[in-house]
Amino acid sequence: DAGVTQSPTHLIKTRGQHVTLRCSPISGHKSVSWYQQVLGQGPQFIFQYYEKEERGRGNFPDRFSARQFPNYSSELNVNALLLGDSALYLCASSLGPGLANGYEQYFGPGTRLTVT
Amino acid sequence: AQRVTQPEKLLSVFKGAPVELKCNYSYSGSPELFWYVQYSRQRLQLLLRHISRESIKGFTADLNKGETSFHLKKPFAQEEDSAMYYCALSWNDYKLSFGAGTTVTVRA
Repeated sequence: DAGVTQSPTHLIKTRGQHVTLRCSPISGHKSVSWYQQVLGQGPQFIFQYYEKEERGRGNFPDRFSARQFPNYSSELNVNALLLGDSALYLCASSLGPGLANGYEQYFGPGTRLTVT
Repeated sequence: AQRVTQPEKLLSVFKGAPVELKCNYSYSGSPELFWYVQYSRQRLQLLLRHISRESIKGFTADLNKGETSFHLKKPFAQEEDSAMYYCALSWNDYKLSFGAGTTVTVRA
C-alpha cells in the first residue's frame, strides 16, 4: 500500500478562484481528516469524515467544504480563494473515527496551494 | 479553548547529549496528548501517545496534569533524531490541535 495519497502535489490559483483537493486513504480506512498547515505553524484541523458523514469541523469559514465518497476517498473544496488560504493541506486517514479508541491517523504528503 | 504551546522553535544538541522538547497545553477536559515527528522529506507520523506509556526510539513523554505539560525526552540523542517534532492534543475525541513545532538538530 502506498499509504495516503493526495493530488495534486502543487497548485497555484488566483484570488477568487475555486480549488478541489483530493485524498485517497489507506485501503480499509474509513475515516479521513483534513488539516491546513500555514508556513511556520502546526497543522490546523478542518474536517473529519467517517463512513461518508461529516463528524465535525474546525474553525473555518463556509468557503471550505468537503465530502467523502463510497470508496472512502475525499475531496476538499475551497471557494473564493484568499491570499491567506495559501498553505499545505494535509489529509490523514484512520481505521475508525476516534483517536481515543487507539485509532492512529496516517498522514499524506500534502498538497501545496499557493494563492496569488 | 484548547491550546498547545511549544516554546522552542529550534533546538540544537550534540550527539549523545540528552534532549528535552517542551510542550504545554490548556484544555478544560481530560487531555489525550501525542507527539508527532516529521523527518526530512517524509510524512508527518505518530511518535508516541501518552495513553500507551511506551518508549519509542528511546523517547518518552510523561503527562503532568498539575503543570499541564507533556515534555518529550531522550537521554542520548542520535543524529537520526534530527527532525521537526509536533506536540498535539486530542479534543472532542477526533480533533487534533497541534503546537507550532520544534526543529531538532543533532550535531556530531
